[in-house]
Amino acid sequence: KAGVTQTPRYLIKTRGQQVTLSCSPISGHRSVSWYQQTPGQGLQFLFEYFSETQRNKGNFPGRFSGRQFSNSRSEMNVSTLELGDSALYLCASSSASGGVETQYFGPGTRLLVL
Amino acid sequence: GNSVTQMEGPVTLSEEAFLTINCTYTATGYPSLFWYVQYPGEGLQLLLKATKADDKGSNKGFEATYRKETTSFHLEKGSVQVSDSAVYFCALGNQAGTALIFGKGTTLSVSS
Repeated sequence: KAGVTQTPRYLIKTRGQQVTLSCSPISGHRSVSWYQQTPGQGLQFLFEYFSETQRNKGNFPGRFSGRQFSNSRSEMNVSTLELGDSALYLCASSSASGGVETQYFGPGTRLLVL
Repeated sequence: GNSVTQMEGPVTLSEEAFLTINCTYTATGYPSLFWYVQYPGEGLQLLLKATKADDKGSNKGFEATYRKETTSFHLEKGSVQVSDSAVYFCALGNQAGTALIFGKGTTLSVSS
């Protein structure tokens, strides 16, 4: 089975721009979660989507948004980029078939905001 | 709110030494607990998990026991190898195992 894929892998943007990141989960997985990893704050949960609905949300401003499509692929969008948004953005998928599921992480998209 | 605190690193050990990485948590309800590992140049992957009090998770010689009375989930291994060098993250999740709250991570370096 192919793993979680994320595109693009690297991205450079300037302040004020917006960006869209994409995540393709493992085939059959219905839950997709997004995390931000920075040296200062570590790994922080952004949000989780399940069956095209946001099921859980972390403590991030409204500039961070996401969506999930019917094929479970997910996108996250960051509007009005700030320097502090520079980070590795990780996507994780799980089958969400019941019980405590294992999350499988993608390689991440490294975003640099100049 | 929920949070995870794990010992700061780096932790430097010789091969075959005993490893403990401390992790404590604050949570309401009955969270599930995880240890994730990030090997150099690789993505984050699940090492072990425990879903209820007194559960012991184990994998690759690593063990951790979910202690509700001390709100802890310490990671242990009896004899570390050079190949165990990595960053280890303790995490707390909901009953679906999603919406993970991670600790800051502990870097382990094992020398031969």
